[in-house]
Amino acid sequence: TQLLEQSPQFLSIQEGENLTVYCNSSSVFSSLQWYRQEPGEGPVLLVTVVTGGEVKKLKRLTFQFGDARKDSSLHITAAQPGDTGLYLCAGEAETSGSRLTFGEGTQLTVNP
Amino acid sequence: KAGVTQTPRYLIKTRGQQVTLSCSPISGHRSVSWYQQTPGQGLQFLFEYFSETQRNKGNFPGRFSGRQFSNSRSEMNVSTLELGDSALYLCASSRIGGGGGSYEQYFGPGTRLTVT
Repeated sequence: TQLLEQSPQFLSIQEGENLTVYCNSSSVFSSLQWYRQEPGEGPVLLVTVVTGGEVKKLKRLTFQFGDARKDSSLHITAAQPGDTGLYLCAGEAETSGSRLTFGEGTQLTVNP
Repeated sequence: KAGVTQTPRYLIKTRGQQVTLSCSPISGHRSVSWYQQTPGQGLQFLFEYFSETQRNKGNFPGRFSGRQFSNSRSEMNVSTLELGDSALYLCASSRIGGGGGSYEQYFGPGTRLTVT
């Protein structure tokens, strides 16, 4: 059973465009994290959000945690080719103990 | 500070064989988790070790096992390999256990296992 659903699954855009990736669940999470993974490498942690409604910014990336702590979004402004990669959300469910549940990821391609 | 290291990076095995993968966490990290990543299933949690004890386990058959040593290094073993075990196996370490948003994981580069 997939607890975290990401959309879209694939996204191909031109450099300079904006985009939003969504991560949704019916479960409540005590925290939610976003990772980026490049080919041949492990995922790299981008941000952790903990509080419902929390918004965090990392340069051109804006992360938001839903008020009910069941969903999150990642918005990229003026995308660059270097943003290309697999974006993964991962949640630490309140009832799961010490484990993360990952979404299937959004494969982003930014074309120059 | 050195990152998470995994050895070997690439491995080719035959059906029925067994394999052992190794993971060295970031210095000071006591929690080590293992994941299997495949194109069709995404990242699937295998198990987590904390202070040499398995603290959590995913939905994988008993052919998948692991252990953690006193220096926090961890190994995972897969016995009687099947074609479907071909995947990228990722190890991640965390400073402390889960709860309250503290469970940030730092991944190694993975071991690419191919079963023929």
